Formats: sequence, structure tokens, C-alpha cells
Amino acid sequence: GNSVTQMEGPVTLSEEAFLTINCTYTATGYPSLFWYVQYPGEGLQLLLKATKADDKGSNKGFEATYRKETTSFHLEKGSVQVSDSAVYFCALIHAGNQFYFGTGTSLTVIP
Amino acid sequence: DGGITQSPKYLFRKEGQNVTLSCEQNLNHDAMYWYRQDPGQGLRLIYYSQIVNDFQKGDIAEGYSVSREKKESFPLTVTSAQKNPTAFYLCASSNGVRTEAFFGQGTRLTVV
Repeated sequence: GNSVTQMEGPVTLSEEAFLTINCTYTATGYPSLFWYVQYPGEGLQLLLKATKADDKGSNKGFEATYRKETTSFHLEKGSVQVSDSAVYFCALIHAGNQFYFGTGTSLTVIP
Repeated sequence: DGGITQSPKYLFRKEGQNVTLSCEQNLNHDAMYWYRQDPGQGLRLIYYSQIVNDFQKGDIAEGYSVSREKKESFPLTVTSAQKNPTAFYLCASSNGVRTEAFFGQGTRLTVV
């Protein structure tokens, strides 16, 4: 079946550090892949997406590349800010239009 | 502005009472979803609907019910049969063609 596995948290980084949150998926065919961000007490917001192999999604300094060969979609940012502190979810959608979410990775950035 | 609206933001319920959470979207999306989120955990699918007058159970449908009488509305009822209803509930919609979901701001339900 379809599933998403993402890096366990919590992750704590100093401001301006490099961020990587790992995400791997299991799915047949070619799902669309997403990263969502959730701030405390709020809903999920789409951060970036990729719909086919080798696509790179990017937004607000965050990037992730759809790697079919390694079934991965790792989230990266070169220099994190305090305002990036949030919970990050990796997700996929496939045939049948059901979404599959990872368990979320909590990021705290300290000044 | 297009979007998805959940109300209320906070809801308190006495044990044994049913309560209905509202979810409305003006994005003209066909698909709508309800998720439950518990502290420090991911999202669990309760129900989803691909078209009006049709919906399917998700992973944790017991103790919940939904209706989809209009394209823009997908209310969720938490019944007294739900053993542990205190949680954060998220509604989402998508255009149903393998694209992203848009989420509401959530409703935090507390049983008192």
C-alpha cells in the first residue's frame, strides 16, 4: 500500500543552520508529493510540491526534489530562521485521491 | 477570497452529547476530507467525500458521521459513541486530480 515515512523529531537548530528533514515514500506508479507546514494551533499550509520524478519544489527558501530512484522527497533549507519553527509534514496523493501523511517533524530554531 | 472555513475554532461538549463541526469551502473543489490530530501525532483520516451525496469511511470512522448534501459543505458530527473525542479536527478539500489539499484552520474539541 501507500505510505510516507519521515524523520523523527524533534529537531532543534541554531539560527542560520542548514536543515534537512528526510522523507521516503512507498507507492506504486507516480504519486504527487508535498511538504506542509503547521504552526501552533493552526491548520496545515502547503509549503511546496512536486508532481513528477526529478521535479524540484521550492518556496520561501525551502527545497525538495522528487527522487524516483530512492523514493525520497527530502526537505532542505540552507539557513533557517526562528520563524521557521513549526511542524513539517511530508505527504503524497495517488490514484483514488486519498492523501497519505507522515507523522510530522517538529522543528525549533533557537536564536 | 477563496478558501476553506471551519467553525467554531474552539468547541466544548459535555459527555454524552453529539456535536457538529462545520466545514465550508468556496474553491469549487469536488473532494473534501476530515482528519483528526492528537497532540504530537500525525493526521488520521476520519471520512472523505469525492462528490456530492457520496462519502467513504477513513481509518477511524467509528463514532463519527458526515453528510455531503452540497458541494461546498461537509459537516462532521462527533457522536456520543466516540470514546475519546477530545482532539484537533482538520477539514481539507482538493480538486480531486492528484493535486494539493487546502486545509481549514481547525476546530479544537474538548469534552468536559
